[in-house]
Amino acid sequence: EAGVAQSPRYKIIEKRQSVAFWCNPISGHATLYWYQQILGQGPKLLIQFQNNGVVDDSQLPKDRFSAERLKGVDSTLKIQPAKLEDSAVYLCASSFEGSTYNEQFFGPGTRLTVL
Amino acid sequence: AQSVAQPEDQVNVAEGNPLTVKCTYSVSGNPYLFWYVQYPNRGLQFLLKYITGDNLVKGSYGFEAEFNKSQTSFHLKKPSALVSDSALYFCAVSNYGQNFVFGPGTRLSVLP
Repeated sequence: EAGVAQSPRYKIIEKRQSVAFWCNPISGHATLYWYQQILGQGPKLLIQFQNNGVVDDSQLPKDRFSAERLKGVDSTLKIQPAKLEDSAVYLCASSFEGSTYNEQFFGPGTRLTVL
Repeated sequence: AQSVAQPEDQVNVAEGNPLTVKCTYSVSGNPYLFWYVQYPNRGLQFLLKYITGDNLVKGSYGFEAEFNKSQTSFHLKKPSALVSDSALYFCAVSNYGQNFVFGPGTRLSVLP
């Protein structure tokens, strides 16, 4: 079974620029998550989708971050404009159904550096 | 709001000895509790979960965890540590499927 795919793996941008990350979950997984993991910290949930609907985006900085999952499959996370403090690894995860009582499968992450 | 504490940044244990990685949580309502592991240069992997039922849950690679409601704890344990268990371990909690929260992580080093 193919795992969660993410691209790009690495991205370096200047502050105030825009950036987008892409995630393709495991086939058949209805729930998709985006996390931000700052160095030395645990992952922080940014947004959770169930199919193409948002379940939880309470910690998403909506003034600069946006995410979509238009067809209930792959998803994009965008930052516009980026700040220095956005430097982190952005993780995508998916789970089969029932959201948070099923285990999540994580992708390799995108490491973002904002200069 | 949910929260998770992992009081030890680092745990060192000799190979063959039992290991414990501690986790305490705070949640309104009944918790769903999880342990994940992050090996160097690899993604986060699920180890085990507690949803309901027996307080002792068994997971992958010989790990187990004990749910203690009165102490609001969910400590990860293994009877005999392996060098290959060296990794970063995260405890996580959610409340009825909402607000998934990870702890800060504990680095486990198993010494040969």
